[in-house]
Amino acid sequence: GDSVTQMEGPVTLSEEAFLTINCTYTATGYPSLFWYVQYPGEGLQLLLKATKADDKGSNKGFEATYRKETTSFHLEKGSVQVSDSAVYFCALSSSGGSNYKLTFGKGTLLTVNP
Amino acid sequence: SAVISQKPSRDICQRGTSLTIQCQVDSQVTMMFWYRQQPGQSLTLIATANQGSEATYESGFVIDKFPISRPNLTFSTLTVSNMSPEDSSIYLCSVPAAGPKAGGYTFGSGTRLTVV
Repeated sequence: GDSVTQMEGPVTLSEEAFLTINCTYTATGYPSLFWYVQYPGEGLQLLLKATKADDKGSNKGFEATYRKETTSFHLEKGSVQVSDSAVYFCALSSSGGSNYKLTFGKGTLLTVNP
Repeated sequence: SAVISQKPSRDICQRGTSLTIQCQVDSQVTMMFWYRQQPGQSLTLIATANQGSEATYESGFVIDKFPISRPNLTFSTLTVSNMSPEDSSIYLCSVPAAGPKAGGYTFGSGTRLTVV
């Protein structure tokens, strides 16, 4: 079945540091890939997405590129801020038929210190 | 994209009782999804609820424990029955997003359940 393997944290960085959170996946067909973010005390929010190979999703300075050859969707940000402290989830949705459910990684807790 | 109103936002319940969680969407959607997020864990899909048919449950979840209603295209409920402390989790509903987030999913703000 589908699975998502995500770099486990916690990750602690200083403000303005470079961030990478690794994510690899296993899926049949051509899944859509997502990064969701959960800020402290809040619900899950879509951060960015990519729906086909070589697509780059970007939002709020975060980027991730859909790499089919390495089955990866690593999240990057060039300069993190304290406000980026949150839990980040990599997820996929398999295409085809009516199976639109999301499969999540375990989440990575990011703490950014001033 | 769709806006979801989920309630209650949190509750503390006695073991052996049941809690019903409601999700109201501001637009009509065919599919709604219910997830559980256990403490410190990722989200796990409980079931998919389509209007007019029985919910489809994932492995490890059964209708007797998590009955779901889907009376129309904008509303669904999830009941956590005969609760035990192991049911303490955040429960979230989700619908496919529309508009700029198409291809993604919108989540309710979650119900934080504590069973004592």
